[in-house]
Amino acid sequence: DVQLVESGGGLTEPGGSLRLSCAASGLTFSNAWMNWVRQAPGKGLEWVGRIKSRIDGGTTDYAAPVKGRFTISRDDSRKTVWLQMDSLKTEDTGVYYCASHYTTWQWGQGTLVTVSS
Amino acid sequence: DIQMTQSPSTLSASVGDRVTITCRASQGVNSWLAWYQQKPGKAPKVLICKASTLESGVPSRFSGSGSGTEFTLTISSLQPDDFATYYCQQYDSSPYTFGQGTKLEVK
Repeated sequence: DVQLVESGGGLTEPGGSLRLSCAASGLTFSNAWMNWVRQAPGKGLEWVGRIKSRIDGGTTDYAAPVKGRFTISRDDSRKTVWLQMDSLKTEDTGVYYCASHYTTWQWGQGTLVTVSS
Repeated sequence: DIQMTQSPSTLSASVGDRVTITCRASQGVNSWLAWYQQKPGKAPKVLICKASTLESGVPSRFSGSGSGTEFTLTISSLQPDDFATYYCQQYDSSPYTFGQGTKLEVK
């Protein structure tokens, strides 16, 4: 079975940084496009960004609200993807999910990020 | 960016009812459309990918149809476990976008 396990969430102040990790198992990680999706408290789902597989170029795309502040990277040998979040704002608060897409979509259970003074 | 519009936002129904949720895209997304079910405090669960492909383990009462700009999720006979919030997502082009959600509640 596919498992995606996020970690690294927590409380930080506005302007701070956090680095989220997503460890994958049970899938051919190197073929998967890895995504981050977030959900603010009581709100809907918002796509944050994506990193393609190396064979598809390994490029990244980001949603407008996070572009220039967030960075996605991956290490296929460790089956891990990261979300580096800098210059955090209160509106970045929410649960962050890792989601893989190859032939289908798989999601992790999420990690909570709270940005507050 | 492609805008995804779900309707209705809230749907009241009873066990045994047949219900349909619609998702419209502001431009064509081919069949790159997924449907999710989410319950409070839980991660979204993938029901359908590629507009109509039922994910492994998902009951056959769920079905998806459509292509281009209009899609539907149908539950043929509502079960108690189906009361939840449902989202569509296009993954044809970046930024991938979600519908605003449809809350399916007990009538």
